[in-house]
Amino acid sequence: QSALTQPPSASGSPEQSVTISCTGTSSDVGGYNYVSWYQQYPGKAPKLIIYEVTKRPSGVPDRFSGSKSGNTASLTVSGLQAEDEADYYCNSYAGSNRYVFGTGTKVTVL
Amino acid sequence: EVQLVESGGDLVQPGRSLRLSCTASGFNFYGYAMHWVRQAPGRGLEWVSGISWSSGSIGYADSVKGRFTISRDNAKNSLFLEMNSLRGDDTALYYCAKDTSGSQYYYNYIDVWGRGTKVTVSS
Repeated sequence: QSALTQPPSASGSPEQSVTISCTGTSSDVGGYNYVSWYQQYPGKAPKLIIYEVTKRPSGVPDRFSGSKSGNTASLTVSGLQAEDEADYYCNSYAGSNRYVFGTGTKVTVL
Repeated sequence: EVQLVESGGDLVQPGRSLRLSCTASGFNFYGYAMHWVRQAPGRGLEWVSGISWSSGSIGYADSVKGRFTISRDNAKNSLFLEMNSLRGDDTALYYCAKDTSGSQYYYNYIDVWGRGTKVTVSS
């Protein structure tokens, strides 16, 4: 039951795009379309920004998009804004009533 | 307003026990799976345990299996986590979280989080 692998950090200038990968196995990311992404500011609870690989909850800007290929899911933030500077975590259903989170990625807006 | 409020966090000695509670409001608690997720200081999110709406299906992370027990009381809109044989690496902020799944057999995704309750394990 290992954590999903994310890069520790990612960065981009305002208006640029940044993509965060989330690599698992065929038992989690590759086996289910239940991959979600969360944004977390320091001292705050996580907030859902992508669910079921590609879907956005209401109120989440369309700058955020998700995708998946094989055992790797990705989150892309287009048109980076200062308020996008935060930690991002992926999550996947892993079968047998278990979840697994990613290791987390700190996004910096340069 | 959908809300989850955790309580029960405390400073506790290694080897001791602690019980966390989460009170839900603003939604039909009995209809959804629920989870505990923790975050150690300066670290990432770790899923701890989940329970289906009926308590018929329960899952645990390997790191807590055999030591922690999740339960719920749908009549009282409450979720619990009984933590035994606590260790230093259990020190974390524990979040209560709501799933969107109404199934016995799988989870979908977490859509609502509480603010967390702090557990510190230290002598």
